[in-house]
Amino acid sequence: QQQVKQSPQSLIVQKGGIPIINCAYENTAFDYFPWYQQFPGKGPALLIAIRPDVSEKKEGRFTISFNKSAKQFSLHIMDSQPGDSATYFCAASKSYNTDKLIFGTGTRLQVFP
Amino acid sequence: ETGVTQSPTHLIKTRGQQVTLRCSSQSGHNTVSWYQQALGQGPQFIFQYYREEENGRGNFPPRFSGLQFPNYSSELNVNALELDDSALYLCASSLDLQETQYFGPGTRLLVL
Repeated sequence: QQQVKQSPQSLIVQKGGIPIINCAYENTAFDYFPWYQQFPGKGPALLIAIRPDVSEKKEGRFTISFNKSAKQFSLHIMDSQPGDSATYFCAASKSYNTDKLIFGTGTRLQVFP
Repeated sequence: ETGVTQSPTHLIKTRGQQVTLRCSSQSGHNTVSWYQQALGQGPQFIFQYYREEENGRGNFPPRFSGLQFPNYSSELNVNALELDDSALYLCASSLDLQETQYFGPGTRLLVL
């Protein structure tokens, strides 16, 4: 019930493509779903987050789509750039009872020029 | 940069030794969470401190312990190191248990 399943494990796209990373969760008590970007040798950096009361959120080139009934959410990166090459993690937690973030296993994205 | 700092950046220890890792939270943040990230995996929650008290613990043995100081900086102590403790240790800070957490760069621990 505490797992967050993430796919694919790796993704290769060309510059300008729209990579999509998917996550699924089981615990219906989760109500906060962030995405983190991590470059080699660095800590994860918060990209964008969503709550279940909306089905989509956009920040710049990053969009989260959320499907509450399916218990799934996904990250879309519009007009991807080589600088977006990194590992992306989805996560979930219960807000204000936030003992922890539960992370997915990560997706390594490579964007080629 | 998030303003969360960690020290040291890298550390090599031998099995059975003890290690202390340090974290300074972002200015104004009173909540610190520690995570272990094994190579190729997502971070795993170790524990969280809020205003100097432990506020939740993940599935880690008691040899993983922590402390938070009045200035909200924090330490992670690991006793009796095992080879599997080799990982990147991340701390993350937030304000008043809010879910938005900001991560530091991590400490890379290698246990030989």
